[in-house]
Amino acid sequence: SQQGEEDPQALSIQEGENATMNCSYKTSINNLQWYRQNSGRGLVHLILIRSNEREKHSGRLRVTLDTSKKSSSLLITASRAADTASYFCATGGNNRLAFGKGNQVVVIP
Amino acid sequence: EPEVTQTPSHQVTQMGQEVILRCVPISNHLYFYWYRQILGQKVEFLVSFYNNEISEKSEIFDDQFSVERPDGSNFTLKIRSTKLEDSAMYFCASSLSGDRNQPQHFGDGTRLSIL
Repeated sequence: SQQGEEDPQALSIQEGENATMNCSYKTSINNLQWYRQNSGRGLVHLILIRSNEREKHSGRLRVTLDTSKKSSSLLITASRAADTASYFCATGGNNRLAFGKGNQVVVIP
Repeated sequence: EPEVTQTPSHQVTQMGQEVILRCVPISNHLYFYWYRQILGQKVEFLVSFYNNEISEKSEIFDDQFSVERPDGSNFTLKIRSTKLEDSAMYFCASSLSGDRNQPQHFGDGTRLSIL
């Protein structure tokens, strides 16, 4: 089954710095999605990149997808304290999403 | 912005009891999902639901579990004869359609604690 795996697991950065996290998966995909989870809250959809796309931007987020390497990266530019959260990549078919273990990002003010 | 709402936020239940977790999906969404997250582990898919029937379920979703859309707004997950290992965060999600490129919108979850 499709499955996302993020790397690294935990990241601590200063406010204003960029944060990059990676995700790899094992099978062919239709798309890859990134979600954010603040402590004690649900998953918030951030961005979806389709398998025929290589890069996508949304505000301070930049996602890349390399289907030949079965990997994706999420870049958060000019980080803010409010970006402190866990970030998950997810792959899936029509109905089910398969999530990775998540990256814990702490942005220090 | 429309939200998926879940109640209760925390449910404590004795082992062996039945529990019902409730969700109100976004009103114009047609596909509904349940996921769970055991502490420290990945978010795992349980079941998807469309047109009043299960469209897909995982190996976790055995006979102990059932889902229902009792009316036009609620979507429930019932766990019968709960076990200690059912303790987890349970997330409900909904999507506008079953298009694989439609994002799923999640509620804040119900923390289920089995004693």
